Amino acid sequence: EAGVVQSPRYKIIEKKQPVAFWCNPISGHNTLYWYLQNLGQGPELLIRYENEEAVDDSQLPKDRFSAERLKGVDSTLKIQPAELGDSAVYLCASSVRDGNNEQFFGPGTRLTVL
Amino acid sequence: SQQGEEDPQALSIQEGENATMNCSYKTSINNLQWYRQNSGRGLVHLILIRSNEREKHSGRLRVTLDTSKKSSSLLITASRAADTASYFCATEGVIQGAQKLVFGQGTRLTINP
Repeated sequence: EAGVVQSPRYKIIEKKQPVAFWCNPISGHNTLYWYLQNLGQGPELLIRYENEEAVDDSQLPKDRFSAERLKGVDSTLKIQPAELGDSAVYLCASSVRDGNNEQFFGPGTRLTVL
Repeated sequence: SQQGEEDPQALSIQEGENATMNCSYKTSINNLQWYRQNSGRGLVHLILIRSNEREKHSGRLRVTLDTSKKSSSLLITASRAADTASYFCATEGVIQGAQKLVFGQGTRLTINP
């Protein structure tokens, strides 16, 4: 079974440019998460989807960040415009509602904003 | 802000020794989970302990949970070089009306051969 797939793995952009990250969750996982992880820190939730509905986006900086999960499968996270402080690893995770509450993580996209 | 506080921030031991990492949290939880992250990779789920459980084992892993002290520990016995990674505790509970999994800042474990 394939795991959570993310692309690109690395992205370098200049500040004020837009950037987008893509995530394909594990097949059959209805819940999808986007996390931000700064160096030496644990992941921090940006947004959680249940199927195509964003059920928790309270920590998503909506002035520059947006996300979508059309058809309740793949998801895209966008930053426009990017700022220097956005440099971090963006992790996608998915889970299935089976009582185990285990989240499966992708390898992440490392963003560097110059 | 992150709820879990982990101690120590970094731990270096010899192969074969046991490694103990601690996690403290602030509010009531439904469960506590431990994840491992190898350098440049995503997190991998290790073990989940529910709030009504006190101890759980999985292979060389032993997790304890003390809800009265709001703390948990992860013990890795007979450590191996491949155990070198960062270890995160994550607490699942209701925060501001939403079910969330909140991660600590992690413990960086180095196993020296």
